[in-house]
Amino acid sequence: DAGVIQSPRHEVTEMGQEVTLRCKPISGHDYLFWYRQTMMRGLELLIYFNNNVPIDDSGMPEDRFSAKMPNASFSTLKIQPSEPRDSAVYFCASRISGSYLYEQYFGPGTRLTVT
Amino acid sequence: TQLLEQSPQFLSIQEGENLTVYCNSSSVFSSLQWYRQEPGEGPVLLVTVVTGGEVKKLKRLTFQFGDARKDSSLHITAAQPGDTGLYLCAGAKNYGQNFVFGPGTRLSVLP
Repeated sequence: DAGVIQSPRHEVTEMGQEVTLRCKPISGHDYLFWYRQTMMRGLELLIYFNNNVPIDDSGMPEDRFSAKMPNASFSTLKIQPSEPRDSAVYFCASRISGSYLYEQYFGPGTRLTVT
Repeated sequence: TQLLEQSPQFLSIQEGENLTVYCNSSSVFSSLQWYRQEPGEGPVLLVTVVTGGEVKKLKRLTFQFGDARKDSSLHITAAQPGDTGLYLCAGAKNYGQNFVFGPGTRLSVLP
């Protein structure tokens, strides 16, 4: 079974441009998480969805960030306009409800560089 | 201020040595997880512990959850270069809540 799929793996863009990151969760998983990882702040939860509905977006840094999950197999994280301080590795993760051990499965990440 | 502290921040050892890394907090957690992350990849779950005092073993790795459920340790016996990576602990205060991650311990095992 394929794991969590993210695209692109690397993105380099100029400040002010729109960036869209994509995620396909593991089939059958009903929770989807977006994280950001930096050296300074570590791994931070940005937003998560349950059954395609956003549940908690308190980790989203500001209005420039938005996330959608139009169906159970696809989610996007958009940054508009992008800024250099948004440079980080963005991870998507999924898990299935009812799992006693709350196993999250992470994708390989998208490394974003904003110049 | 980090909810979870991990120590040491960096650790470099020779192949065959034993090591212990720690995850500490002033908060009580209902469950705690350990992940290993290799360069260019996402974190991979190693274990979840949910009972105070619980000990779990995964081959050469031994995980312990503190009696008060505020801390945890990961002990690796006879470390191998393949153990190299970033070890992250993550805790959830209540069942069903999301996990908060610690800053990680970066381990390097030299051949």
